[in-house]
Amino acid sequence: EAQVTQNPRYLITVTGKKLTVTCSQNMNHEYMSWYRQDPGLGLRQIYYSMNVEVTDKGDVPEGYKVSRKEKRNFPLILESPSPNQTSLYFCASRDTLEETQYFGPGTRLLVL
Amino acid sequence: GQNIDQPTEMTATEGAIVQINCTYQTSGFNGLFWYQQHAGEAPTFLSYNVLDGLEEKGRFSSFLSRSKGYSYLLLKELQMKDSASYLCAVRRANDYKLSFGAGTTVTVRA
Repeated sequence: EAQVTQNPRYLITVTGKKLTVTCSQNMNHEYMSWYRQDPGLGLRQIYYSMNVEVTDKGDVPEGYKVSRKEKRNFPLILESPSPNQTSLYFCASRDTLEETQYFGPGTRLLVL
Repeated sequence: GQNIDQPTEMTATEGAIVQINCTYQTSGFNGLFWYQQHAGEAPTFLSYNVLDGLEEKGRFSSFLSRSKGYSYLLLKELQMKDSASYLCAVRRANDYKLSFGAGTTVTVRA
């Protein structure tokens, strides 16, 4: 089954404790992206990647890091989480020749 | 940056038609997308417009006017399951960044 998976789905952590949210897709898509969704603000793009070893900042990259060492994986790293990073995070992927973007199920993060 | 505006909420009756407008301002345009998001779920792709005109896909249609920075999503023969948030998104030409509006919550009433 074609899908985008994210782990963990729910996470409660404390300020400053490094964490990684994994994202994996099994569709051989070149393009992958991370978004955060907050009430009243909609989805905002954090980082995106057009292919392996190619990453670019979205609209809200501060406080986040990403890497794209393999085509299928695109982890989101929070080196020192802060409460303002409490949010719902979505990973997404698409084939660069198509326009349909597939979203993962989301990761709900609470930073205390 | 990009400014994307869409109404916050709309309510309609089952079987009716609802039109969700989206206006945008962008430095370089490379396509406009509509997504549907049910509460507690991930967004799902509905439509993509890059040229002016109407794209029809079953009960859903999407229209684009690039010169006016305007799009709408038309939902016909509304069903209860269409109650969801509808997200308008614009892709920028030079760097392929994708920016979303805050979303329009549509409530379908019996």
